[in-house]
Amino acid sequence: DSGVTQTPKHLITATGQRVTLRCSPRSGDLSVYWYQQSLDQGLQFLIQYYNGEERAKGNILERFSAQQFPDLHSELNLSSLELGDSALYFCASSAPDRGFEIAGAGELFFGEGSRLTVL
Amino acid sequence: GENVEQHPSTLSVQEGDSAVIKCTYSDSASNYFPWYKQELGKRPQLIIDIRSNVGEKKDQRIAVTLNKTAKHFSLHITETQPEDSAVYFCAAAYTGFQKLVFGTGTRLLVSP
Repeated sequence: DSGVTQTPKHLITATGQRVTLRCSPRSGDLSVYWYQQSLDQGLQFLIQYYNGEERAKGNILERFSAQQFPDLHSELNLSSLELGDSALYFCASSAPDRGFEIAGAGELFFGEGSRLTVL
Repeated sequence: GENVEQHPSTLSVQEGDSAVIKCTYSDSASNYFPWYKQELGKRPQLIIDIRSNVGEKKDQRIAVTLNKTAKHFSLHITETQPEDSAVYFCAAAYTGFQKLVFGTGTRLLVSP
């Protein structure tokens, strides 16, 4: 158990719909990352938050948005869903004390993922 | 932009053989290079990492080497076992924040 909780584990919806994926980071972790993993594909970086602020953005579609709340949990909102959005969405968190501004990144702890199926 | 290339995409070895996976990164400012293992249906988990001030790091049967000049790094697994079968991802982190860009993954199959 990584300590990162993602809900829901599975989600089936129709094209054009909107869904929200939720992530609770490990206790004490300030950074939250979202990754998309399509079938037999790698981990595509979507977005990163640090203590409520957006820190880095990857190949995140305009139809997707995210935020990190004061209690540090994060939500990824996916709207106007298309068949190609079907994927496993991972959230990860990392510790705050790596001095990342100086020393670089540290270990990411991944949740179990939310599997989204768009029909 | 940041890019990490990983080869091979699949690798089949016999139990006891060694396996090598190679990655190349694009940004010379990258300073952190982890390797993650993802078993089927599971989440990725860190197995080893290396920072840019170190050329090699070893942990039992696993080792990682880094060549900053050539901007590539490699994962070496010796004495492979069937439980090493998984998808392995390399990644590179870029200066200033913890953005990790992953390679496309290598599916390793170790046959008994």
